[in-house]
Amino acid sequence: GAVVSQHPSRVICKSGTSVKIECRSLDFQATTMFWYRQFPKQSLMLMATSNEGSKATYEQGVEKDKFLINHASLTLSTLTVTSAHPEDSSFYICSARSGDNPYNEQFFGPGTRLTVL
Amino acid sequence: GENVEQHPSTLSVQEGDSAVIKCTYSDSASNYFPWYKQELGKRPQLIIDIRSNVGEKKDQRIAVTLNKTAKHFSLHITETQPEDSAVYFCAASSSNFGNEKLTFGTGTRLTIIP
Repeated sequence: GAVVSQHPSRVICKSGTSVKIECRSLDFQATTMFWYRQFPKQSLMLMATSNEGSKATYEQGVEKDKFLINHASLTLSTLTVTSAHPEDSSFYICSARSGDNPYNEQFFGPGTRLTVL
Repeated sequence: GENVEQHPSTLSVQEGDSAVIKCTYSDSASNYFPWYKQELGKRPQLIIDIRSNVGEKKDQRIAVTLNKTAKHFSLHITETQPEDSAVYFCAASSSNFGNEKLTFGTGTRLTIIP
């Protein structure tokens, strides 16, 4: 099946710093990538949807200036958590989908565990 | 927007017995319903999905049923095995362009008792 990677897998940072998370589709072109946040023992909450070459669409309540998303190529999307605070500590998961068909399976990355001290 | 509810939140089943997880959705435009299995600290993996033009789909020990009128769908796992222990998420989405995002249920932690 299709493979999606994320880097880093874990990151610990100080409050006020910025953290960049990369999401790559390794063997297919991802027209659309999705960024989710998952708190312990909770569900996946969609943060934003990004299409290659265009601005990301953010879900209600997600600050676009705090969570910067870039989808510059068909195989790479990045999420930058700016001025991170302890409440931003979470498991961030990306997924990628090829083509425009919404029935196409979303393939998930392994996630990035962010801890803000 | 779409709202997906999932029950139960935890489920313990004796090995070999069946497990059933139920979800309801609110948006009648939703027409794609995948189920994901997530092991601790790992990525969600698609185990089965169903589209709104069918009422039931089966893949070996796993089946999903959909009732469009009542807006609910269920996951059935038969002959459960210890490796079925995980958190299961249902999801719903609409294939309408511009709204094809997945809305996830709250998850069910399934424990298979050997």
